[in-house]
Amino acid sequence: GDSVTQMEGPVTLSEEAFLTINCTYTATGYPSLFWYVQYPGEGLQLLLKATKADDKGSNKGFEATYRKETTSFHLEKGSVQVSDSAVYFCALSEDSGYALNFGKGTSLLVTP
Amino acid sequence: EADIYQTPRYLVIGTGKKITLECSQTMGHDKMYWYQQDPGMELHLIHYSYGVNSTEKGDLSSESTVSRIRTEHFPLTLESARPSHTSQYLCASSEFGVETQYFGPGTRLLVL
Repeated sequence: GDSVTQMEGPVTLSEEAFLTINCTYTATGYPSLFWYVQYPGEGLQLLLKATKADDKGSNKGFEATYRKETTSFHLEKGSVQVSDSAVYFCALSEDSGYALNFGKGTSLLVTP
Repeated sequence: EADIYQTPRYLVIGTGKKITLECSQTMGHDKMYWYQQDPGMELHLIHYSYGVNSTEKGDLSSESTVSRIRTEHFPLTLESARPSHTSQYLCASSEFGVETQYFGPGTRLLVL
């Protein structure tokens, strides 16, 4: 079935460093792809999404491009801040449409 | 900003107690979901609903039950709590035909 694989954490970066969190997927159809973020003690928030190949989702300085040829949706940010410390989840919508399929999450810690 | 609420936020109870975790949303969404999030952060879908009087089990087998008597309300019940139920429980909702899910803040459950 459809699945998502994202890089294992924790990822530790200094403030203003460049961030990449890798996400690859397997799917039989044409899923939509998502990045969610979970700050400590909170639920998940939608960060960005892309619904078709070559679409770029962006929000709060984060970007991800839907690459069908490499089945990837890597999350990037040019300059991270301490406030970006959180857990990031990659997800896809299954063909059945009943739920999102989440990756295992990547913890990011940004130090001053 | 999504309007989805969960109560209680934190709960510590003894083994064998019956508990109900509340989830409400004010967005009129037809679809609602319960996820269990383990300490390793991974999310597991345990229940979902397409609308009033519709409930389905998710990918992860759970001893909990749910009901959907009103569109806005999707409570989860554990008849007899056990230490293995210790986890964070996240509720989410989405519009029918739209894949984006909106999450509540979660309930952290500790069963002693």
